[in-house]
Amino acid sequence: AQSVTQPDIHITVSEGASLELRCNYSYGATPYLFWYVQSPGQGLQLLLKYFSGDTLVQGIKGFEAEFKRSQSSFNLRKPSVHWSDAAEYFCAVGVFNAGGTSYGKLTFGQGTILTVHP
Amino acid sequence: DTAVSQTPKYLVTQMGNDKSIKCEQNLGHDTMYWYKQDSKKFLKIMFSYNNKELIINETVPNRFSPKSPDKAHLNLHINSLELGDSAVYFCASSQRLPGGWGNTIYFGEGSWLTVV
Repeated sequence: AQSVTQPDIHITVSEGASLELRCNYSYGATPYLFWYVQSPGQGLQLLLKYFSGDTLVQGIKGFEAEFKRSQSSFNLRKPSVHWSDAAEYFCAVGVFNAGGTSYGKLTFGQGTILTVHP
Repeated sequence: DTAVSQTPKYLVTQMGNDKSIKCEQNLGHDTMYWYKQDSKKFLKIMFSYNNKELIINETVPNRFSPKSPDKAHLNLHINSLELGDSAVYFCASSQRLPGGWGNTIYFGEGSWLTVV
């Protein structure tokens, strides 16, 4: 069964500093990987996704993520954090049904809470 | 123009009551989902419907009954509510494509259910 681990429960950075949020996955086939962000009291917003191709993917709000198959990782990065980036970030892996149709099931990590100091 | 909308956003109710959460998507997707986020922020899928047909049911108690009147709507009805049902329930949708993921899952803003 697939699983996702986000090793850092809580990260604090200063505004303007760089950011890297870690995500490791376990899945037997080609993974479909996602990063979502959840602001307090809000829903989930898709930041970026990886399906295939270029292993460095760009997302919204200046975020990017790099897929590294050898490390089973999909870490999220941002070169300069803004106060508005404070939120909880979720990494997820999508299950691909080998029967030929997309299954549509996401397995999420535990989330990483990002605090930004002024 | 909200893509995936859920109502109500907040719901406080007593144990033993029956309640429903409604969800509608205007993205033209054929697959809809219910996810549950517990008090520890752990997100897990509950149900998935494709063209009104149930395709995923993740060992959810029978008190939870999804209903999809058409592919744009997926409602969640919960009978005999228990304290442990307190959570945030997210509706989501995507387009199911053969051969893999051609699209992604879009989430609603969540419904905060509190059982007292």
